[in-house]
Amino acid sequence: DIQMTQSPSSLSASVGDRVTITCQASQDISKYLNWYQQKAGKAPKLLIYDASNLETGVPSRFSGSGSGTDFTFTISSLQPEDIATYYCQQCDVLPTTFGQGTKLEIK
Amino acid sequence: QVQLQESGPGLVKPSETLSLTCTVSGVAISSYYWTWIRQPPGKRLEWIGYVSSSGGTNYNPSLNSRVTISIDTSKNQFSLKLSSVTAADSAVYYCARARATRPYHYFFDKWGQGSLVTVSS
Repeated sequence: DIQMTQSPSSLSASVGDRVTITCQASQDISKYLNWYQQKAGKAPKLLIYDASNLETGVPSRFSGSGSGTDFTFTISSLQPEDIATYYCQQCDVLPTTFGQGTKLEIK
Repeated sequence: QVQLQESGPGLVKPSETLSLTCTVSGVAISSYYWTWIRQPPGKRLEWIGYVSSSGGTNYNPSLNSRVTISIDTSKNQFSLKLSSVTAADSAVYYCARARATRPYHYFFDKWGQGSLVTVSS
């Protein structure tokens, strides 16, 4: 299975900060990397698909980039409602696998 | 709007079979692939398997011998059965819709609220 490793595992930032999370795959997955937001007690929500495509209805402060094995997820200006755990998911090779998550908190 | 709702027992005894159903509304189930994903408490998400509208399936090899996913297009439902469960199968189980820009490269754009299943005697 492809291993997905996110960094950092937790992050504390202030409202208005630029926040960056990275995800590394254990082998080349081309552009097939997706990002999800999971708020406490809720189901995950798709934010970004195919590395850089913003899902319909998702605010433009969220963005993604990367290809191959290294990917980045960015929130350009952190808002209070962005408090959540963020997961990456590779869908290039079955079984599809997820990162361990990055828990984002407000400083 | 598209909605998914899981249903089934919240408590299952060890060695028995876990059974969950996902009811889909707002879209014809025949138009997409559908999936089950689980999340043990405090752990990462784990993909269980897919079912197509024609009933074709693909399972995570780690669970392959114990999993069956089926679809009932007449009821707009799909179901999960996981046999011989142990405490390690305790998790929140999510049903979700799978979408792709390239065949079999699926991401999950609509989710149910999740169903907590505990395996305990």
